[in-house]
Amino acid sequence: GAGVSQSPSNKVTEKGKDVELRCDPISGHTALYWYRQSLGQGLEFLIYFQGNSAPDKSGLPSDRFSAERTGESVSTLTIQRTQQEDSAVYLCASSLNPGRGETQYFGPGTRLLVL
Amino acid sequence: QQQVKQSPQSLIVQKGGISIINCAYENTAFDYFPWYQQFPGKGPALLIAIRPDVSEKKEGRFTISFNKSAKQFSLHIMDSQPGDSATYFCAAHSWGKLQFGAGTQVVVTP
Repeated sequence: GAGVSQSPSNKVTEKGKDVELRCDPISGHTALYWYRQSLGQGLEFLIYFQGNSAPDKSGLPSDRFSAERTGESVSTLTIQRTQQEDSAVYLCASSLNPGRGETQYFGPGTRLLVL
Repeated sequence: QQQVKQSPQSLIVQKGGISIINCAYENTAFDYFPWYQQFPGKGPALLIAIRPDVSEKKEGRFTISFNKSAKQFSLHIMDSQPGDSATYFCAAHSWGKLQFGAGTQVVVTP
């Protein structure tokens, strides 16, 4: 079946512009996560959606970052007034049963470059 | 503050050798410890995982050793192959979220 998909695969933008990154999770997965991976670095947790519960936004680095999810479907991560330090790979993952730490399935990521 | 500390940052091993990656944690609320493998340009993928009531789990050439009292766990890759060249991340789960280590880049030379 289809895995997690993300779009665009690459995005180049100018400093100060807003960007939107999209994630389509695996159908039926109730949990959706966004991570940021800087060059050669680990995965930095950004935000976690679980069903209809309020999202866990504890990892968002600043108020320029926000995310929405439509029901248990598509999610959009928005970065306003982008800065050069926002350049990274943004990864989305989904999970069927997050309460027991079950497998997170990752998309291929969106590579963001802020000039 | 990184909740899961991973070492080494990188390692080079000859084909047929053993790769060992170590992770340590402090939070005793963690209840599930997966390892993810990431190839360049791809998202991470689950490799193997263990729960704290088990001291060892083996799947093919990959083994997790878990020491609950020391709050440490490790990944052993036996008979390393060039196709194992990738970045490996340990992780720990609590409350629906995973905390990842910083990653280990493994290079297997022919």
